[in-house]
Amino acid sequence: DQQVKQNSPSLSVQEGRISILNCDYTNSMFDYFLWYKKYPAEGPTFLISISSIKDKNEDGRFTVFLNKSAKHLSLHIVPSQPGDSAVYFCAARGGSNYKLTFGKGTLLTVNP
Amino acid sequence: GAGVSQTPSNKVTEKGKYVELRCDPISGHTALYWYRQSLGQGPEFLIYFQGTGAADDSGLPNDRFFAVRPEGSVSTLKIQRTERGDSAVYLCASSGGLAATGELFFGEGSRLTVL
Repeated sequence: DQQVKQNSPSLSVQEGRISILNCDYTNSMFDYFLWYKKYPAEGPTFLISISSIKDKNEDGRFTVFLNKSAKHLSLHIVPSQPGDSAVYFCAARGGSNYKLTFGKGTLLTVNP
Repeated sequence: GAGVSQTPSNKVTEKGKYVELRCDPISGHTALYWYRQSLGQGPEFLIYFQGTGAADDSGLPNDRFFAVRPEGSVSTLKIQRTERGDSAVYLCASSGGLAATGELFFGEGSRLTVL
């Protein structure tokens, strides 16, 4: 039972354009949603998060939108840069141990 | 250290052998997590420590896997009688507890290959 789903394994965009990465979840008890970025041979690094009581959080070029009724969130990167090329994981936090449940990831490629 | 440190970075072993993977969390972080990432998958939860005790080990796949954190800092993940299916990157993460953003800080992982 996959509680966090990223249905697009890969996404390719041109430098300067918007990248939109999507994520769906099934567990309404999740209280925080996070995006992590991962380069090859490195551990995941935190990018941005959003509380379940918010619908938008912005940090520089990165904005996360949460639609609770649809159990859907998205990460927008504007403008996209070649250095943004990486695997992006959507994660959700729930339960008393604050563990994160991850999606399978989306490989973003930003072409110069 | 400044970040989460994991050793070894790479481990190649033969089927049936015993392996230990070590995690040194960020100083002062009370919560420690182990995750496993297989090829093409996201990180999957294995076990969570709060201090010295394993508060949640529901992700451990079977009794060949065991983890300890005897002094509430460094943790060791132990795998007995390794199988080829255990090949994966084992990630350790730590946090200060109730992080406002929910953020966990990850190490670079230990890549285990079982031949």
